[in-house]
Amino acid sequence: NAGVTQTPKFQVLKTGQSMTLQCAQDMNHEYMSWYRQDPGMGLRLIHYSVGAGITDQGEVPNGYNVSRSTTEDFPLRLLSAAPSQTSVYFCASSRGAEGYTFGSGTRLTVV
Amino acid sequence: QKEVEQDPGPLSVPEGAIVSLNCTYSNSAFQYFMWYRQYSRKGPELLMYTYSSGNKEDGRFTAQVDKSSKYISLFIRDSQPSDSATYLCAMRDPNTGNQFYFGTGTSLTVIP
Repeated sequence: NAGVTQTPKFQVLKTGQSMTLQCAQDMNHEYMSWYRQDPGMGLRLIHYSVGAGITDQGEVPNGYNVSRSTTEDFPLRLLSAAPSQTSVYFCASSRGAEGYTFGSGTRLTVV
Repeated sequence: QKEVEQDPGPLSVPEGAIVSLNCTYSNSAFQYFMWYRQYSRKGPELLMYTYSSGNKEDGRFTAQVDKSSKYISLFIRDSQPSDSATYLCAMRDPNTGNQFYFGTGTSLTVIP
């Protein structure tokens, strides 16, 4: 049981480049979310999904897109990277109210 | 005002001490309360989960919820160096779908 798998673990982008952070879970969880974690700011919700085909914005959605074509996958796309998007990104999934299972994170640096 | 407030610390205690970590919140509709532990350069892992008010014990860890005061606590007994991590509280309002609200985390160091 792999849980929540995120790739890549590390990435360096140049300003203006685009990329996709991958997230996959094998627990058949309905809910999936993307968070970014910055020092002193805690975890901030970017986008979330309550099931395949359904997505919604969180607290800090600007500059990011998501899609949920399957239950298992929930990729996060950075459209045009900016230095302000330098952060650690976590994907998480849950079946319901019992809390999220988090991936190991992607450390992104935008130069 | 943030939905969830948590003292960032850092907190440093000697091995064997009792640790008390706390969060306050403003939304009286929160019903589900969680504590996560996050080791350096790792993802958060769920440590304790409680529903509504009361206590829950799991080994050396006790989670306490006081809804009347909008205050939750995590107690760690006989703290160990392996407990050194950042602890995040989280809570959920069942009326807003599956959105969780996280504290900013408290950094704990247990000194051998």
